[in-house]
Amino acid sequence: QVQLVQSGAEVKKPGASVKVSCKASGYIFTNYALHWMRQAPGQGLEWMGWINPGNGNTKYSQKFQDRVTFTRDTSATTAYMELSSLKSEDTAMYYCASHTSAAYWGQGTLVTVSS
Amino acid sequence: DVVMTQSPLSLPVTLGQPASISCRSSQSLVYSDGNTYLNWFQQRPGQSPRRLIYKVSNRDSGVPDRFSGSGSDTDFTLKISRVEAEDVGVYYCMQGSHWPLTFGPGTKVDIK
Repeated sequence: QVQLVQSGAEVKKPGASVKVSCKASGYIFTNYALHWMRQAPGQGLEWMGWINPGNGNTKYSQKFQDRVTFTRDTSATTAYMELSSLKSEDTAMYYCASHTSAAYWGQGTLVTVSS
Repeated sequence: DVVMTQSPLSLPVTLGQPASISCRSSQSLVYSDGNTYLNWFQQRPGQSPRRLIYKVSNRDSGVPDRFSGSGSDTDFTLKISRVEAEDVGVYYCMQGSHWPLTFGPGTKVDIK
C-alpha cells in the first residue's frame, strides 16, 4: 500500500532554514508527482508546489518561490522540502502528498519558528 | 490565482440526516484535456487530509458510498446522504486545473 512517512517535528529560530523529508513506499516513486502543502495552526491548506520525482522538475507557488527548494533522492525514494529565511508565520504543519490530485498524504511535520 | 469559495463554512448536522457543501471557483475548472480537476478532501480532527472525491464525482477507494460529488464548470457540491459520527471534521475542495493549485477555506462539519 502507498505510504508517505515524513521526518519529525522541528523547532527553528527566525532566519534559519528547515529541511523536511518524505519517504515514499508502495508504488513506483518516479512515476507520480509529489506535492508539498502546509497548514498554519487552525487555518486551511496551502499548496506550496510540486516535484516530478522522475526528472526532478519543480513548480513552485509564487508565494514561496524565492525561499523553497524541492529535491529528491530516487535511490532512497525520498523527497525533500527546504524552506529558508524562516519567519514566525512559517510555523505550520507541512505535508507531502503524492499521485495526481494529492491522492495520498504523509502524516505531516510540525515546524515551529520561534526565537 | 483561482479563488475557491465554500458555503457554509460551518455545518452542524443531525446524525442520520443529509448534509451538503457547496464549492465555487472564480474560473472554469474544465482543463484543456476535457477533464475537470475538482477534488474533495476530509480532514478529521488531528489527522492528515484524506482525499474523498477526484475529478468532481469519482469516489476514492474505501470511501463510503454515502459521499457523492457533483457539479460542473465553476459550481460543485459534496453531499453526505446520512451523516455518521465519524464524518465530523473539515471538508476542503481543491482545484487542480490551474497553477497554482488552490483550496477552498474549508467547511467544518460537526454534530448538533
